Amino acid sequence: DTGVSQDPRHKITKRGQNVTFRCDPISEHNRLYWYRQTLGQGPEFLTYFQNEAQLEKSRLLSDRFSAERPKGSFSTLEIQRTEQGDSAMYLCASSSGPGHGSYEQYFGPGTRLTVT
Amino acid sequence: GQQVMQIPQYQHVQEGEDFTTYCNSSTTLSNIQWYKQRPGGHPVFLIQLVKSGEVKKQKRLTFQFGEAKKNSSLHITATQTTDVGTYFCAGPPSYGKLTFGQGTILTVHP
Repeated sequence: DTGVSQDPRHKITKRGQNVTFRCDPISEHNRLYWYRQTLGQGPEFLTYFQNEAQLEKSRLLSDRFSAERPKGSFSTLEIQRTEQGDSAMYLCASSSGPGHGSYEQYFGPGTRLTVT
Repeated sequence: GQQVMQIPQYQHVQEGEDFTTYCNSSTTLSNIQWYKQRPGGHPVFLIQLVKSGEVKKQKRLTFQFGEAKKNSSLHITATQTTDVGTYFCAGPPSYGKLTFGQGTILTVHP
């Protein structure tokens, strides 16, 4: 399967714990995005990489959230000191495009986080 | 900031009926994308519209981009049970990032 993969698919954690999610984009894609989706809502942008550079981060993203893409391939999203409000589906997407256009984004299956 | 509003929030139709969802942006969009998310699934890209007044068709689906590039619509002719899911429009207010509408949840009764 050459699509976007995410690991784990489900994560249950206790409030206050740290969690880390991994995303492996489509190999030839240089752009990688993280979104968060809650029930009944559209995906909400969190952050975006082009290659290894983190180019944009949502103002909604607190300091407890950090993302990396160290070699421009896979990415990790870490949430420190989780809160119940962090419970959501975390979606990763990737796309091609070195220019300033928009390109279709391919989404992974998501990681469903439940904070108890 | 960029806002993309989508209506209706829900649409229930009988199989064979038509369906339309509308998307409105508070600002002019360079382009707009449409995605479909099946229940329990992830968003899947359907189409991208770029030109003012553009109309594109994919079998029973017709996508339109408004002349002012601030609104768009998706019309499905003769719905089938396989059309069930949530349809999202998404606008790019800045380089690459997508702002999604709230989505329209379509249910199709056989």
